[in-house]
Amino acid sequence: AQKVTQAQTEISVVEKEDVTLDCVYETRDTTYYLFWYKQPPSGELVFLIRRNSFDEQNEISGRYSWNFQKSTSSFNFTITASQVVDSAVYFCALGGNNDMRFGAGTRLTVKP
Amino acid sequence: DSGVTQTPKHLITATGQRVTLRCSPRSGDLSVYWYQQSLDQGLQFLIQYYNGEERAKGNILERFSAQQFPDLHSELNLSSLELGDSALYFCASSVEETRDTQYFGPGTRLTVL
Repeated sequence: AQKVTQAQTEISVVEKEDVTLDCVYETRDTTYYLFWYKQPPSGELVFLIRRNSFDEQNEISGRYSWNFQKSTSSFNFTITASQVVDSAVYFCALGGNNDMRFGAGTRLTVKP
Repeated sequence: DSGVTQTPKHLITATGQRVTLRCSPRSGDLSVYWYQQSLDQGLQFLIQYYNGEERAKGNILERFSAQQFPDLHSELNLSSLELGDSALYFCASSVEETRDTQYFGPGTRLTVL
């Protein structure tokens, strides 16, 4: 069965701090996708990234970076120099050929 | 504005009733996805359509059904509603069928009384 664990329920940081959101997954599929989504206080969902299981290269997009490690079944998300606008709930998700499972989310609060 | 529209924004109904949620994808997007977000179950993937055909099925109840029409808009039908079906229902769209960059609609908040 597929499972996604986001052990950090809530994280609070001060602006300009770096913060890493952890995501650990379980799957028996050899081909799968990993995702991160953001849900700001306004409630909409925003897609951040999709990573294929065959591509373990880390990805950087501006202040965001993702570290995919198949050996530890983890797909962690780091925000560098956090800003107040980064305050949101972040969801990690795992998708196979058919189904898709989400983690419970990590609520990030960035204080000025 | 993501370009994905969902109607209605809010829906209040009673147990046992049937409702239809509508989603219009971004222009040019062929895939439509439906998700449910509730306090009890969190975020769940329900179903995906690509160019009119069902592509992936998640945790969708038998009381729920969906379809994608030739103009690519999609409808999610929820029947025999229960209190536990109260949730935010999101629709998303993408160009490809492989869950690439998805654009989300604002959601429909369903309240079952």
